[in-house]
Amino acid sequence: KQEVTQIPAALSVPEGENLVLNCSFTDSAIYNLQWFRQDPGKGLTSLLLIQSSQREQTSGRLNASLDKSSGRSTLYIAASQPGDSATYLCAAETSGSRLTFGEGTQLTVNP
Amino acid sequence: KAGVTQTPRYLIKTRGQQVTLSCSPISGHRSVSWYQQTPGQGLQFLFEYFSETQRNKGNFPGRFSGRQFSNSRSEMNVSTLELGDSALYLCASSFRRTYGTDTQYFGPGTRLTVL
Repeated sequence: KQEVTQIPAALSVPEGENLVLNCSFTDSAIYNLQWFRQDPGKGLTSLLLIQSSQREQTSGRLNASLDKSSGRSTLYIAASQPGDSATYLCAAETSGSRLTFGEGTQLTVNP
Repeated sequence: KAGVTQTPRYLIKTRGQQVTLSCSPISGHRSVSWYQQTPGQGLQFLFEYFSETQRNKGNFPGRFSGRQFSNSRSEMNVSTLELGDSALYLCASSFRRTYGTDTQYFGPGTRLTVL
């Protein structure tokens, strides 16, 4: 059974700081690893998808890496802004398009 | 392009009642998945439908069921509601051309409160 863990559970940083969010998964037999953002009371917004054969993906100030052998993924956010404040979730896709989610990292960027 | 829509957005029911939630996927998407989000359990997979067939099911009791119509719209039904069913129910759609390559796009969710 796939289990996904995210560290830290919460993070508070000053504006402009670069930061790294961590995600680990127990079963390396994944189709992909996805990162999402969730604002309070809202649905999920897809940020990045890394296929199992890829090592990283980039979108703007975001960069996500994947190391299947060690069961780890990281999300790097450069030059953080107050608008980046949200909960960040990673999810591993396994059989039948099932996503197994971590508990999330609640990020607060202070002006 | 319109996003994933879910109706209703908010719902209040009492124990023992049943409820039906609706999800309209992005145009052209054939796969719809449902998730339950609670503070204690986080996001958990309920089931996935593709071309009107349930392809995968999570570990939820039989009170949770769903279906998909020929236009890819999906409904989820929960019978004999319990207090623990209070949650945000999210649906996600994708084209599902090939496993692993398609991003899943989530709707805003339906907030269900069971009293």
